[in-house]
Amino acid sequence: DIQMTQSPSSLSASVGDRVTITCRASQSISSYLNWYQQKPGKAPKLLIYAASSLQSGVPSRFSGSGSGTDFTLTISSLQPEDFATYYCQQSYSTPSITFGQGTRLEIK
Amino acid sequence: QVQLQESGPGLVKPSETLSLTCTVSGGSISSYYWSWIRQPAGKGLEWIGRIYTSGSTNYNPSLKSRVTMSVDTSKNQFSLKLSSVTAADTAVYYCAREAGPFKWADYWGQGTLVTVSS
Repeated sequence: DIQMTQSPSSLSASVGDRVTITCRASQSISSYLNWYQQKPGKAPKLLIYAASSLQSGVPSRFSGSGSGTDFTLTISSLQPEDFATYYCQQSYSTPSITFGQGTRLEIK
Repeated sequence: QVQLQESGPGLVKPSETLSLTCTVSGGSISSYYWSWIRQPAGKGLEWIGRIYTSGSTNYNPSLKSRVTMSVDTSKNQFSLKLSSVTAADTAVYYCAREAGPFKWADYWGQGTLVTVSS
């Protein structure tokens, strides 16, 4: 299986901060990398697909980059509604689709 | 707007079979991949598998021996069966639509908690 490792596992930040979350794959996954946001008690929500494409309706303060094994999710200016848990997912290795362990973004 | 809704028993006994159905509304189930993903309380996401509207499937190798998925296009529904369940299968189960060449999950159900307990 391809292992997806996110860092950090948790992060404290303030409204207005620029935040970067990293996801590393244990082998190359090209651009088969998606990012999701999950709030407590809710289903995950797609933010970024194919490493850098912004899902329709998602604010432009979210952006993704990377290819191969190293990827980043950046929030340019944190808003109160952005405090949540973020997951990366590789969709390269069917049928062994895997998620990162999650990054919990908390208010400082 | 596509909407997905999971349904099924919230309590299953150990060694029995967990059965869930996902009903798709606001769009056709045809020509998409449909998946199941689960999340134990306080833990991360685990992809269970997917089914195409033709009936072809991909299952997570770690669950493959216990998983069966099916689709009923006439009802705009797809289903999950997980056999021989144990407490480790207790989780919130989500259904989702996978789209695009990279199969990202763009629509999700709200999730349903399934508890395995006698």
